[in-house]
Amino acid sequence: AQKITQTQPGMFVQEKEAVTLDCTYDTSDQSYGLFWYKQPSSGEMIFLIYQGSYDEQNATEGRYSLNFQKARKSANLVISASQLGDSAMYFCAMRGVSGGSYIPTFGRGTSLIVHP
Amino acid sequence: EPEVTQTPSHQVTQMGQEVILRCVPISNHLYFYWYRQILGQKVEFLVSFYNNEISEKSEIFDDQFSVERPDGSNFTLKIRSTKLEDSAMYFCASSPTYENEAFFGQGTRLTVV
Repeated sequence: AQKITQTQPGMFVQEKEAVTLDCTYDTSDQSYGLFWYKQPSSGEMIFLIYQGSYDEQNATEGRYSLNFQKARKSANLVISASQLGDSAMYFCAMRGVSGGSYIPTFGRGTSLIVHP
Repeated sequence: EPEVTQTPSHQVTQMGQEVILRCVPISNHLYFYWYRQILGQKVEFLVSFYNNEISEKSEIFDDQFSVERPDGSNFTLKIRSTKLEDSAMYFCASSPTYENEAFFGQGTRLTVV
């Protein structure tokens, strides 16, 4: 079975600073994908970034980058130059083939608050 | 940019009533999902749908729930005889393949009173 662990229930960061949101995972799959989603207070789920398990380079999308350490089974999200609009819940998720299941599995989320 | 669309954005229903939540997935996507999120809690998988049939479902997805793709675009979740504990945000999502990221709709907030 797949498991996603986000150990930080809440994080605070000063505007314009960088912040790292932790995510570790557990899977027996050889091939899998890792994702981060943002959920602002309005409730929608916004896809941010994707990392494939066989991708050699860390994924980047604008101010978002994914620090993928396969041996440590971690996929931390780095947000550079935080903005007030980054305040939201952030969910790490993964999908692979586990017992024939391709279903994306989500962590419990980390609440990020950006201070001015 | 194509997006997943859900209607209504908010639904209030009386306990025991049936509700239908509607979703229009992204047009070239093949995999469809329903998730729910009870306020402040984790995102829980309900069901996935591929090739016009349920491919997987969770323990939550019992006989109270059903999904349909009545035409080429809509994807619906029906909840029969709603209970107070069904109050949650319900998300529809779609993906082009099983490997890709799932794109979520904006959610339907269901309140059972």
